[in-house]
Amino acid sequence: GAVVSQHPSWVICKSGTSVKIECRSLDFQATTMFWYRQFPKQSLMLMATSNEGSKATYEQGVEKDKFLINHASLTLSTLTVTSAHPEDSSFYICSARRQGLSSYNSPLHFGNGTRLTVT
Amino acid sequence: GEDVEQSLFLSVREGDSSVINCTYTDSSSTYLYWYKQEPGAGLQLLTYIFSNMDMKQDQRLTVLLNKKDKHLSLRIADTQTGDSAIYFCAERMRGGYQKVTFGTGTKLQVIP
Repeated sequence: GAVVSQHPSWVICKSGTSVKIECRSLDFQATTMFWYRQFPKQSLMLMATSNEGSKATYEQGVEKDKFLINHASLTLSTLTVTSAHPEDSSFYICSARRQGLSSYNSPLHFGNGTRLTVT
Repeated sequence: GEDVEQSLFLSVREGDSSVINCTYTDSSSTYLYWYKQEPGAGLQLLTYIFSNMDMKQDQRLTVLLNKKDKHLSLRIADTQTGDSAIYFCAERMRGGYQKVTFGTGTKLQVIP
């Protein structure tokens, strides 16, 4: 159980275009999902917290107009990288926590990540 | 503070035990986790421990928590080549959305 599916697994796009990444919780509902970014050989940096039915909460230094987050349902959050540039090339990983009475002690479950390359 | 530190690299021989260490600074964390990441993949949850526990054992994995020193360790018994990966510790904050902060990661290399 607790499967998180992320799509696509990799994408190459031209500079100036936009790319959408989907994160789905397949067998549980998640009111909150998290988006992380990971540079090569580095740790995961939290970008934003995605909340179902409301605006995302962005970490300091993350441009909300560049990284658009939409959490339209209890099982889907999307991250859109707008007007992508080569410096946006990175590994993006989403995670979700099962909601409900047990959510307090429920760990984060991760998708397999999306490798974005902007040329 | 939210700094979580790990040593960058650990090399062990197959069959030996591995001990990966982690220090954190936020004493209000509720849960502490260990995740495994293989090349090009997402993170796989290995185990976690509640902050009021000292130890947790799960098959080959033993987690030790020293809350006074804010030190967490993961021991892997009988390390196998398939254990080669990057290991991240992470702490879950109290309050708000209870966001999770990750350590810098330790690359474990298992020598056959």
